[in-house]
Amino acid sequence: QSALTQPASVSGSPGQSITISCTGTSSDVGGYNYVSWYQQHPGKAPKLMIYDVSNRPSGVSNRFSGSKSGNTASLTISGLQAEDEADYYCSSYTSSSTLVFGTGTKVTVL
Amino acid sequence: EVQLVQSGAEVKKPGESLRISCKGSGYSFTSYWISWVRQMPGKGLEWMGRIDPSDSYTNYSPSFQGHVTISADKSISTAYLQWSSLKASDTAMYYCARRYCTNGVCYAFFDYWGQGTLVTVSS
Repeated sequence: QSALTQPASVSGSPGQSITISCTGTSSDVGGYNYVSWYQQHPGKAPKLMIYDVSNRPSGVSNRFSGSKSGNTASLTISGLQAEDEADYYCSSYTSSSTLVFGTGTKVTVL
Repeated sequence: EVQLVQSGAEVKKPGESLRISCKGSGYSFTSYWISWVRQMPGKGLEWMGRIDPSDSYTNYSPSFQGHVTISADKSISTAYLQWSSLKASDTAMYYCARRYCTNGVCYAFFDYWGQGTLVTVSS
């Protein structure tokens, strides 16, 4: 069970939009609409940002959006803000009835 | 208010046993699955496995099957992660997380997380 592939880092200036990709296989990302995204600030527990590919929990800014095409899911942060600087992880359900996380992406606000 | 409160940091020697805990409150403990997630120093999140507290059914990641044991005591709303013989490579932060469930169906995401338990294994 390999981790989903994410870019190690993505950066953008305040106000810009950035997109983080999450690539898996047909046995996980491509096979189910069960991709979620988590934000983790240093020293803190992860926080749910997106679930079931594109749904936002209450309280999460609408600047965060998710999508999926084939075996790749994406998280887009629009109107980038300093507080968005954090690590982001995708997660997917798998055909083995397990869950798998992505490798993680460090977002830097320039 | 939903809370998952984990036990405190541990420092152990290789070969020792350990059990860490995760106490749920503010919700029906048996209605939601609990997962454990490992984060090694400076590394990413790894799903270890989960338990259904209502019947203690467990499901493990192949990477952790046989190396750890997940259990729960529903009478005290507490889930556990235990090792029989720790290794230095078990040094990590361990999080418990509640898997969202509704109407008897559990979904593939975590809506609440514990604060984490740091386990350090060193001789």
